[in-house]
Amino acid sequence: GAVVSQHPSRVICKSGTSVKIECRSLDFQATTMFWYRQFPKQSLMLMATSNEGSKATYEQGVEKDKFLINHASLTLSTLTVTSAHPEDSSFYICSASRGPVDTQYFGPGTRLTVL
Amino acid sequence: DQQVKQNSPSLSVQEGRISILNCDYTNSMFDYFLWYKKYPAEGPTFLISISSIKDKNEDGRFTVFLNKSAKHLSLHIVPSQPGDSAVYFCAASNFNKFYFGSGTKLNVKP
Repeated sequence: GAVVSQHPSRVICKSGTSVKIECRSLDFQATTMFWYRQFPKQSLMLMATSNEGSKATYEQGVEKDKFLINHASLTLSTLTVTSAHPEDSSFYICSASRGPVDTQYFGPGTRLTVL
Repeated sequence: DQQVKQNSPSLSVQEGRISILNCDYTNSMFDYFLWYKKYPAEGPTFLISISSIKDKNEDGRFTVFLNKSAKHLSLHIVPSQPGDSAVYFCAASNFNKFYFGSGTKLNVKP
């Protein structure tokens, strides 16, 4: 199967700071990448879909100015949580696929804790 | 409004027996269904999928059944093994937008 990595795996930051999370497809070119968020004991919630070289498409209720997504290359997408607050604390998972209708391969996730 | 639901948060099964995980959905436009397995501190791993034009797909010990009239799918694992202990998410897809259930934690006892 395809390998997707995320960095960092865990981050703790102070309220008001910005945090960048990287998602990389290690052995394939990911035309499309997805960002999810998971609260404890709840399902994965899609935040946004990004296609390489174009702007991300955000789901309803997700603030695009707060969660900045960049998909500058076929192997890298970044999610930046700007001016993080404690309510942003969550588990963020990315996935990557070769194309819009291909299987998604998930990264290991990033645990964000905002103090 | 959760379009994909897994009503059993946990399931405990003896090793060697069958594990049956259930999932219900509300949107009849979903055309593709998947099961993912997730270990703690890891991302979900794709397990098995089924297209809406089929009612069964089998891969080794894993079989997924789809009942479109009931908007219900299930994952059967037989025989269950202790290494199968994980959280299982079902997901439904429409135009490659995935909707996940809340997961069922499976514990296979030796």
